[in-house]
Amino acid sequence: ILNVEQSPQSLHVQEGDSTNFTCSFPSSNFYALHWYRWETAKSPEALFVMTLNGDEKKKGRISATLNTKEGYSYLYIKGSQPEDSATYLCASLYSGAGSYQLTFGKGTKLSVIP
Amino acid sequence: GAGVSQSPRYKVAKRGQDVALRCDPISGHVSLFWYQQALGQGPEFLTYFQNEAQLDKSGLPSDRFFAERPEGSVSTLKIQRTQQEDSAVYLCASSIRQGEVYEQYFGPGTRLTVT
Repeated sequence: ILNVEQSPQSLHVQEGDSTNFTCSFPSSNFYALHWYRWETAKSPEALFVMTLNGDEKKKGRISATLNTKEGYSYLYIKGSQPEDSATYLCASLYSGAGSYQLTFGKGTKLSVIP
Repeated sequence: GAGVSQSPRYKVAKRGQDVALRCDPISGHVSLFWYQQALGQGPEFLTYFQNEAQLDKSGLPSDRFFAERPEGSVSTLKIQRTQQEDSAVYLCASSIRQGEVYEQYFGPGTRLTVT
């Protein structure tokens, strides 16, 4: 059973600040690492799917890095805006009994204060 | 295009009642997943369908939970004799197919409260 950990659990930042969160996962039998952004009452939105060690991906002001050897990923938000307020989930893809399953962390809840 | 939709969005059930939660995946997506998110936890895998075949049900917590996808599109998660510990958000996700690089697209979830 995979154990995916995210830190911090919650975070308050001022508008314009840059911030980052951590996702740690078992490095053995690694397949892929997914990041999602989940606003209250909406569907979780896929941000990145990362598979290669050293991979870096960027979407606007949000970027992510991946280290599969040591089992961690960082998500960075540059110049946070109030609309970035959401819960950010990471999930490691796990090969289960008959499927590729996502094992999620508990998320980092980001609040951006105007 | 249309995303994954789920209904109802909110459901309150009395303990012992049966409930049925519906998921409409993105058209053409072969893979369909159900997840359960309890309060304060991350989503946890329940079951997986490839077309109409349920290939993995290892995450279903008890035999009170049953899922089906009879025509390979719409899926229903049924919970019989609901218990308070069943209170959670139930998420459905679909994917073109399963594999390392394929994104799973999530619906907004159904929040089930058992009183």
